[in-house]
Amino acid sequence: EVQLLESGGGLVQPGGSLRLSCAASGFTFSSCAMSWVRQAPGKGLEWVSAINGGVGSTFYADSVKGRFTISRDNSKNTLYLQMNSLRADDTAVYYCAKAAQGSVYHTLGPESWGQGTLVTVSS
Amino acid sequence: QTVVTQEPSLTVSPGGTVTLTCASNTGAVTSGFYPNWFQQKPGQAPRALIYSTTNKHSWTPARLSGSLLGGKAALTLSDVQPEDEADYYCLLYFGGTGVFGGGTKLTVL
Repeated sequence: EVQLLESGGGLVQPGGSLRLSCAASGFTFSSCAMSWVRQAPGKGLEWVSAINGGVGSTFYADSVKGRFTISRDNSKNTLYLQMNSLRADDTAVYYCAKAAQGSVYHTLGPESWGQGTLVTVSS
Repeated sequence: QTVVTQEPSLTVSPGGTVTLTCASNTGAVTSGFYPNWFQQKPGQAPRALIYSTTNKHSWTPARLSGSLLGGKAALTLSDVQPEDEADYYCLLYFGGTGVFGGGTKLTVL
């Protein structure tokens, strides 16, 4: 059974940093593309970032480019999202998701999702 | 700025059929945008329904189908059930970057 468990969320001041983690199990993590998607309170879904399996090419939404960094540790079956220069509009539940069919390419889309971790950016 | 547009809300009667669409301000949506569809109910994580335009996940009900329709991606729900009431989101990829639509609130009434 696929399991994705996000952690690392919390309250942070504007301009601060936070690192989210997503512990994965139940599938071959190293070859599977992974994504981060967020949802601000009462709002729709926003695609944030993705990392392919294998070589690990990375992709970012314009809204986070230059501030967020996605990475993975295949030895720990863990996905990360380093978030710097945080702003109030980064406040959201952050979900990690694995690619459909265990694809190495993220463009097949998110298939299984975690339950999310809440990030609140406020002074 | 790339914008993906969905109907804000739709209402359907139980047993009826409804089609949700997903358009791009860059032009016609094709299979090269790898259209995905997701369902989300209040307080829950999204659930994937369709990937790469037409492909269903193992848990996707047979009465749901994805397609391209008139330059848009489409999700058709047949024999709509009360439990289909939810928010539905499409996701398109533009050169590797994903963009979600604003979502469609489907009411079954």
